Amino acid sequence: ETGVTQSPTHLIKTRGQQVTLRCSSQSGHNTVSWYQQALGQGPQFIFQYYREEENGRGNFPPRFSGLQFPNYSSELNVNALELDDSALYLCATALLGGTEAFFGQGTRLTVV
Amino acid sequence: EDKVVQSPLSLVVHEGDTVTLNCSYEVTNFRSLLWYKQEKKAPTFLFMLTSSGIEKKSGRLSSILDKKELFSILNITATQTGDSAVYLCAVEPVRGSTLGRLYFGRGTQLTVWP
Repeated sequence: ETGVTQSPTHLIKTRGQQVTLRCSSQSGHNTVSWYQQALGQGPQFIFQYYREEENGRGNFPPRFSGLQFPNYSSELNVNALELDDSALYLCATALLGGTEAFFGQGTRLTVV
Repeated sequence: EDKVVQSPLSLVVHEGDTVTLNCSYEVTNFRSLLWYKQEKKAPTFLFMLTSSGIEKKSGRLSSILDKKELFSILNITATQTGDSAVYLCAVEPVRGSTLGRLYFGRGTQLTVWP
């Protein structure tokens, strides 16, 4: 148990819809990163938030956006869903300067 | 572009066997290499390696890093069915002062038969 909670655990959406995924972290973990893991692939970095600001972004289009709140919880929003967005979405939280990132259980998103 | 390559992609062994999983990387400004075990969803942390030649051990698992040749290995001795999982290797480059992005390989799917 990592203390990182993601919701929902599973989600089915239709192409073109919008989705919001949530992540709450361990107490004091002020950095959150989001990853997309397609079937049979390793997780791919989407972006990272630190102190409510985006702090680095991977090769994902602007329709992938995020928020971090004062309590360090976070949201990942995806607009105009495409079939290829179907994947496991993982969040990972860490302390600034820490040595380990803790992953949540992930949200399995299916776009039909 | 930064890259992490794991091999083999899939491995099937019997209980009691010893396995070696490989990870090679190309990354600018290397900070650390991490190994994770992923059974269903959440990757769970195994090791973080930052220095060459220093073996890290945890029970039947051990890992070592070679920063000159840019690779790491993860060894599992006396495998058990509970070791069946995907083993992910990730590399973290230095990017400012925060715990930065991780570049993951595709993982090695290990299956241990009784």
